[in-house]
Amino acid sequence: KNQVEQSPQSLIILEGKNCTLQCNYTVSPFSNLRWYKQDTGRGPVSLTIMTFSENTKSNGRYTATLDADTKQSSLHITASQLSDSASYICVVSHSGGGADGLTFGKGTHLIIQP
Amino acid sequence: SQTIHQWPATLVQPVGSPLSLECTVEGTSNPNLYWYRQAAGRGLQLLFYSVGIGQISSEVPQNLSASRPQDRQFILSSKKLLLSDSGFYLCAWTQAGAGWMNTEAFFGQGTRLTVV
Repeated sequence: KNQVEQSPQSLIILEGKNCTLQCNYTVSPFSNLRWYKQDTGRGPVSLTIMTFSENTKSNGRYTATLDADTKQSSLHITASQLSDSASYICVVSHSGGGADGLTFGKGTHLIIQP
Repeated sequence: SQTIHQWPATLVQPVGSPLSLECTVEGTSNPNLYWYRQAAGRGLQLLFYSVGIGQISSEVPQNLSASRPQDRQFILSSKKLLLSDSGFYLCAWTQAGAGWMNTEAFFGQGTRLTVV
């Protein structure tokens, strides 16, 4: 069964600190992995998309890593800002899958405190 | 540029009442359209998707239905709402000819539905 597990479920850090969110998956065969940011009461917005051959991808203060061997991904946020408070969702798609070829994680709820 | 509109943003409906949520996309043709539901503490669940006018695929048997009367319009409906229909509903689109695998997916702002 395809699964995406995210940890921690929630995280509180002080503004300016760094943090790392984890995503473990059992989706097979793997196609790509996305990280989305979802502000409360809004739709998710894509941060990064990574294919099998990519190990690292950055988007400003967000850096995603992918280890296809261990089936793990991480999202590192540097110098956190209050606006980073949101849920971060890991989404994995499998090869050959159509619209239903996606598995969503439950997300990590991140709170940045001043 | 392409934009996606979803409304209403919030909705409170009594049990047994009908439902109609609308989603429209601008700036593209023949998009793939999707309806998702996000329950508290749960991941997004695909409800319906459409690759063209009148073409609807249902992923989860339930109290809801979807329709695509126009190329860039996707509607989520129910004849009689249940308490369990409460949740956050999201519309999304991807480029024509490409599914989730190969292209970016864009979400609407969501509709918070509370059935009372």
